[in-house]
Amino acid sequence: GAGVSQSPSNKVTEKGKDVELRCDPISGHTALYWYRQSLGQGLEFLIYFQGNSAPDKSGLPSDRFSAERTGGSVSTLTIQRTQQEDSAVYLCASSRAANTEAFFGQGTRLTVV
Amino acid sequence: QQQVKQSPQSLIVQKGGISIINCAYENTAFDYFPWYQQFPGKGPALLIAIRPDVSEKKEGRFTISFNKSAKQFSLHIMDSQPGDSATYFCAARREDSSYKLIFGSGTRLLVRP
Repeated sequence: GAGVSQSPSNKVTEKGKDVELRCDPISGHTALYWYRQSLGQGLEFLIYFQGNSAPDKSGLPSDRFSAERTGGSVSTLTIQRTQQEDSAVYLCASSRAANTEAFFGQGTRLTVV
Repeated sequence: QQQVKQSPQSLIVQKGGISIINCAYENTAFDYFPWYQQFPGKGPALLIAIRPDVSEKKEGRFTISFNKSAKQFSLHIMDSQPGDSATYFCAARREDSSYKLIFGSGTRLLVRP
């Protein structure tokens, strides 16, 4: 596709349920990042993929959060046993290489009720 | 040392005026400083970026001023237009690590017609 695609665009889930958020990076981009944007706040780094490996997962807030990337392309961010404080916009970005411009998707707005 | 502090939180400027947003950082290992523009419901988009070996970079109406000794950088929007109304984020990145972006908290700019 022409840009970074994220799905779903909106997700409402009940507290305690698991959710999966998907990111389709720009074709050929080897680096992929997940960020979280809480209401009125800046973006908070979650995890970085180079290819299928995650050399930096230091931003994952708890062991309820995990992510994987397969085929050097699609990535899935999974949040288990969701809590209300997980409500935020989850943004994915990709870049051709780690030190080049990062392009962001439109995000998934997660609401935990 | 990872923090990037951004001010003001919000800014109102008349059409044709100059918008100025400031950021400060602590970590001297940062060596790439981008500014992102975000419209409601969209992901951030790279506006302009600078490296610490230059003190100023200009692209059209947008200028970054960089003061390495003070560890500060700012975005100037000349001849501000209503279409510039958006949230602006400064960021910083270390290029010897995961290349993750550390974001400021954002500035909501409103340009009045």
